[in-house]
Amino acid sequence: TQLLEQSPQFLSIQEGENLTVYCNSSSVFSSLQWYRQEPGEGPVLLVTVVTGGEVKKLKRLTFQFGDARKDSSLHITAAQPGDTGLYLCAGEGETSGSRLTFGEGTQLTVNP
Amino acid sequence: GAGVSQSPSNKVTEKGKDVELRCDPISGHTALYWYRQSLGQGLEFLIYFQGNSAPDKSGLPSDRFSAERTGGSVSTLTIQRTQQEDSAVYLCASSFNVGGINEQFFGPGTRLTVL
Repeated sequence: TQLLEQSPQFLSIQEGENLTVYCNSSSVFSSLQWYRQEPGEGPVLLVTVVTGGEVKKLKRLTFQFGDARKDSSLHITAAQPGDTGLYLCAGEGETSGSRLTFGEGTQLTVNP
Repeated sequence: GAGVSQSPSNKVTEKGKDVELRCDPISGHTALYWYRQSLGQGLEFLIYFQGNSAPDKSGLPSDRFSAERTGGSVSTLTIQRTQQEDSAVYLCASSFNVGGINEQFFGPGTRLTVL
């Protein structure tokens, strides 16, 4: 069974601060996706990383896939209240086909 | 519509009753997934349909849970003899393999409350 551990589980920061969310596993993934979910809605895909060491930027969000494709991080610069939400990482295993394994999520609150 | 739709958006039922949850995937998406999410938690995989292949049912928590996908499109998740621990948000997602990557698009979910 593939497991993805996300940390921290909860994060409350002030507007303008930086933060990093981590997603770790002992398993290798063929790709890793990051989603953001707001209350009452389904998760929305932010980015997919597929190459070890890959870095993708989406405005103030920077996503990195570990060299060994076992871990990933999401870094937010100068967080804003609109960044508040549940951030989920999900990995597609090399042998599990297209079934995704989700982390437990990081609940981010950015206070004005 | 352009996205994944689910109905109903909310369902309140009494313990012991059966419920049916519906998912309309994005047109052309060959894969469909059902997940369960407790408040503020991650997603628990339930079942996965891919084309005409036999579904992956390995995530269904008990034999009270079943799902079908008719005509490769609409899917229904059925929970028989509901229990209070079945209360959760049930999310459906669909995907289309592009370059070996399946990016999932989620519906808004059905919030199930079992009294």
